[in-house]
Amino acid sequence: GIQVEQSPPDLILQEGANSTLRCNFSDSVNNLQWFHQNPWGQLINLFYIPSGTKQNGRLSATTVATERYSLLYISSSQTTDSGVYFCAVAHNQGGKLIFGQGTELSVKP
Amino acid sequence: KAGVTQTPRYLIKTRGQQVTLSCSPISGHRSVSWYQQTPGQGLQFLFEYFSETQRNKGNFPGRFSGRQFSNSRSEMNVSTLELGDSALYLCASSLVGSSYNEQFFGPGTRLTVL
Repeated sequence: GIQVEQSPPDLILQEGANSTLRCNFSDSVNNLQWFHQNPWGQLINLFYIPSGTKQNGRLSATTVATERYSLLYISSSQTTDSGVYFCAVAHNQGGKLIFGQGTELSVKP
Repeated sequence: KAGVTQTPRYLIKTRGQQVTLSCSPISGHRSVSWYQQTPGQGLQFLFEYFSETQRNKGNFPGRFSGRQFSNSRSEMNVSTLELGDSALYLCASSLVGSSYNEQFFGPGTRLTVL
């Protein structure tokens, strides 16, 4: 089955710093989503981005489907950005998302 | 529009018991998927229901089952609970019928098996 790898596994930043999280996947996909898991466990949708580039405030994401990777950029990080970021993909229609192992981000004041 | 809701939010059971978790999707969404999250295995797909039919299934034993009702609400059941079933169970819903299939997650049910 499709494999999803995220890097780095852990990241510690000072408030105000920028960061780039990477997601590599092993097969073509028709769904790629980035999530932020809050301290209570809920997955918050950041981007639905099977291809192309999107921006939402301080966050942006780019997926290069032909090269099978996606990047999540966080600029001017804040302590509230702390948590685990997941990339998830699906390579057919339907609801089976395959998740990466996540990147745990810690932003220090 | 209200988001995905899950009940109960927390549950404590003992080994051997069974449990039923409920999920109500976003209004208009007809697909409901279930995932299990554990520290060791991460987030794993359990199954997906669409129009009251199971459309996809993950690699879990038959003790894990689910169903979907005509109003798209879904339940999952775990029988003969084991300690290893302790996990956060997440439900997600999505629109079906187009190439756009973004999934939206509920807050989860945290199950502890003693």
